Amino acid sequence: EVQLVESGGGLVQPGGSLRLSCAASGFTFSSSWMHWVRQAPGKGLVWVSRISSDGSITFYADSVKGRFTISRDNAKNTLYLQMNSLRVEDTAVYYCTSPILGWGQGTLVTVSS
Amino acid sequence: QSALTQPASVSGSPGQSITISCTGTSSDVGGYNYVSWHQQHPGKAPKLMIYGVTNRPSGVSNRFSGSKSGNTASLTISGLQAEDEADYYCNSYTSTNAWVFGGGTKLTVL
Repeated sequence: EVQLVESGGGLVQPGGSLRLSCAASGFTFSSSWMHWVRQAPGKGLVWVSRISSDGSITFYADSVKGRFTISRDNAKNTLYLQMNSLRVEDTAVYYCTSPILGWGQGTLVTVSS
Repeated sequence: QSALTQPASVSGSPGQSITISCTGTSSDVGGYNYVSWHQQHPGKAPKLMIYGVTNRPSGVSNRFSGSKSGNTASLTISGLQAEDEADYYCNSYTSTNAWVFGGGTKLTVL
């Protein structure tokens, strides 16, 4: 069974940093492109970033480019999202997802002073 | 990248069939066979229902089916059940190497 378990969310002040993790199991993580998607309270899903199976290729939404960094450790079956220079508008539930396998349960990031 | 266009809401009675549309451009929906559909119940994580336009993951009911014509993809749910009431989102790969979601459609089972 595919399992994706996010962690690392929490309350952070504007301008602060946070690193999210996503532990994967039940599939061949090292062969899978992976994505981060977020959902602000009461809003729809928004794509944030994706990374190739070997970690060598990354893409970002314009809204996070230069502030967020996606990475992975295939030895640990773990996906990461390093979020710097956080803004109030980054407040959302962050999900890790494989486009053909499924979603994690999400982790809430709140940016507020 | 503009969001894909979905109707804000659709409704149907138990046992009926409904279709949710997802309209993009030749730079996303129309240009690639990478359209997925996701179901989300209130307060829950999304669930993958369709990927690659027409493919159903293991465990998803065959009452759910996907299709595409030109720049518009569609999700059809047949034999509507009360448990199908949820928000549905489409998403597509784009020519700029990004992914884009639709705004979501609220399905009400009358």
